[in-house]
Amino acid sequence: GAVVSQHPSRVICKSGTSVKIECRSLDFQATTMFWYRQFPKQSLMLMATSNEGSKATYEQGVEKDKFLINHASLTLSTLTVTSAHPEDSSFYICSASKQATYEQYFGPGTRLTVT
Amino acid sequence: TQLLEQSPQFLSIQEGENLTVYCNSSSVFSSLQWYRQEPGEGPVLLVTVVTGGEVKKLKRLTFQFGDARKDSSLHITAAQPGDTGLYLCAGAGGSQGNLIFGKGTKLSVKP
Repeated sequence: GAVVSQHPSRVICKSGTSVKIECRSLDFQATTMFWYRQFPKQSLMLMATSNEGSKATYEQGVEKDKFLINHASLTLSTLTVTSAHPEDSSFYICSASKQATYEQYFGPGTRLTVT
Repeated sequence: TQLLEQSPQFLSIQEGENLTVYCNSSSVFSSLQWYRQEPGEGPVLLVTVVTGGEVKKLKRLTFQFGDARKDSSLHITAAQPGDTGLYLCAGAGGSQGNLIFGKGTKLSVKP
């Protein structure tokens, strides 16, 4: 199997606070993990790619100081949205891929609402 | 820059009808994946096609990879309401294993 979990599934926070989202590959080791953002009725927008033990590679236009990514192990990556603002409200999805394959297995997503 | 053009963007059909979704690019992809996503959930991998001209079947779904590995299609036979969802094609092309996603096809099958 290839199961990816995400926690929390929903989170509501106040403007100015930080929120951490966890992404775990439950039954395989993920050499690479990806973080996406998805707006309503739209496709996925890649935010960053992270490999275990190294710095994440951010896509153009994504602020690395605002969206902190840590990939401490082959089964866990975290995304921290710092000083969140209402415009950061979105559906955040992570995915993980096994070594030597382009197939990505997605988590169930996290709905972030910033009030 | 590699792009995947996916069409149609929206599709609303009656139960029992057939449909085809297309993904086209001017770039060659080493492989192409099709995903299905339901509202409020993450995408689920349906199939991966690797070889040019490859055809894969998954029950009523038929996936085809173009001979030149630049395009792909998803054909659904006798669509059912349970097929409703967002269908995404994604091509493998990034240096870090990242995928290039199409914009998706939102399919609605009415009973």
